[in-house]
This record gives sequence, structure tokens and C-alpha cells, in this order.
Amino acid sequence: QVQLQQWGAGLLKPSETLSLTCAVYGGSFSGYYWSWIRQPPGKGLEWIGEINHSGITNYNPSFKSRVTTSIDTSKNQFSLKLTSVTAADTAIYYCARVSTILGGAPFDPWGQGTLITVSS
Amino acid sequence: EIVLTQSPATLSLSPGERATLSCRASQSVSNYVAWYQQKPGQAPRLLIYEASNRATDIPARFTGSGSGTDFTLTINSLEPEDFAVYYCQQRTNWPPITFGQGTRLEI
Repeated sequence: QVQLQQWGAGLLKPSETLSLTCAVYGGSFSGYYWSWIRQPPGKGLEWIGEINHSGITNYNPSFKSRVTTSIDTSKNQFSLKLTSVTAADTAIYYCARVSTILGGAPFDPWGQGTLITVSS
Repeated sequence: EIVLTQSPATLSLSPGERATLSCRASQSVSNYVAWYQQKPGQAPRLLIYEASNRATDIPARFTGSGSGTDFTLTINSLEPEDFAVYYCQQRTNWPPITFGQGTRLEI
């Protein structure tokens, strides 16, 4: 059974760079896209972007100028960097697998989430 | 960008009752809609994909239906553990992939 475990610095100052990593355990890494989604406190879900094992990326245009994703196939890990953060970037950030074998390619499974707080 | 509008925002029901949750897309998304359940302090969990297919280990009381712009998640005979927030999501016309704003199902 595939499990995703994520980590990263939880408290940032405005203008700093958010950095998160997600490790994939127990399943194939190749052949899937791997995604990042965030959820501001008490609010809904927002898709940030995704990357596949070949390094092909897709991003939400709302983030495109600030976001970078990378992948390390030797470690079965992928990462997110979001530059120039502000208080509006305060959210729980989730990593998730894009289940391309299912119709519509839903997100399954998800990581446990990491709360990122941006405050001076 | 495709906007998904969920209704109602909050649904108050009792265990044993049937819940009907709606998700409407601003333009056709074919049948590529997924539904997720989120409980407090937890990550979302996939319930339904491709509008009507239950994900692995999801009980049969969860049923998805719809196509085009109108989708429904029905939960028959509510169990206490079903009270949570539910989100729909589309990946037909993207980027970006979008989610509805959620429906809170409360006791």
C-alpha cells in the first residue's frame, strides 16, 4: 500500500522560500504524476502543481511565477518550492499521488499535511 | 478556469438518514469528477472517481452520479463516521485542476 510522508519548515517570514519534500513508500514511483495541494485554515482546497518521474511539470497559473517542483527518483521523493511567501500562503500543504490509472486521474493517496505559517 | 459550486454549504441530518450533496460545474467536465471526504485534522480521502466509481474500500452506501455539469454524491443510511466535509474536484479542463468549496455534513 502506497504511503506518502512529507516534511518541511513550518514557520516562515514574509519573502522567504517555502520548501517541502514528500517521500513515497510502498509502491511504484514511475508512471505517476505527483502533486501539491494546499488548504488555508478553515478553507477549501487549492491545487498548486504536479511533476512526473521524467520531470514534466504542470502548474496552476496562479502560482506559476513562484513555484518550482523537483523529483529525485533515486530516493522516491519529490519537492515543492514556493518563493516570496506572504501571509496569504499560510496553509496546510499536502502532497498527493495523481492516480492516472483511474478515470479522471484523482488524487489518491494523500500525505499527512504540513502546516506552513508565514508571519513576521 | 472551471468553477465548481457545491450545495448546500452545510447539511444537517441525523444518523440513518440519506444525504444528497450537489456539485455544479461552470462548463462541461464530461464525467471526470471526483469526490473526497475530509475529517477534522485529516487529509482528504478519495471516495468516488469518474463521477460514479467507488474508490478502494469505500462502503456501498456512498454513490456518485451525474455527467456534464451536474453531479451528486448520495450517502445512504448515514453512519456517525460520515459526518465530515465533502469536496468535488475536476480535471477535465486544466490547468488549473479545481475543487468545489465543500459541503459540511453535520449531525
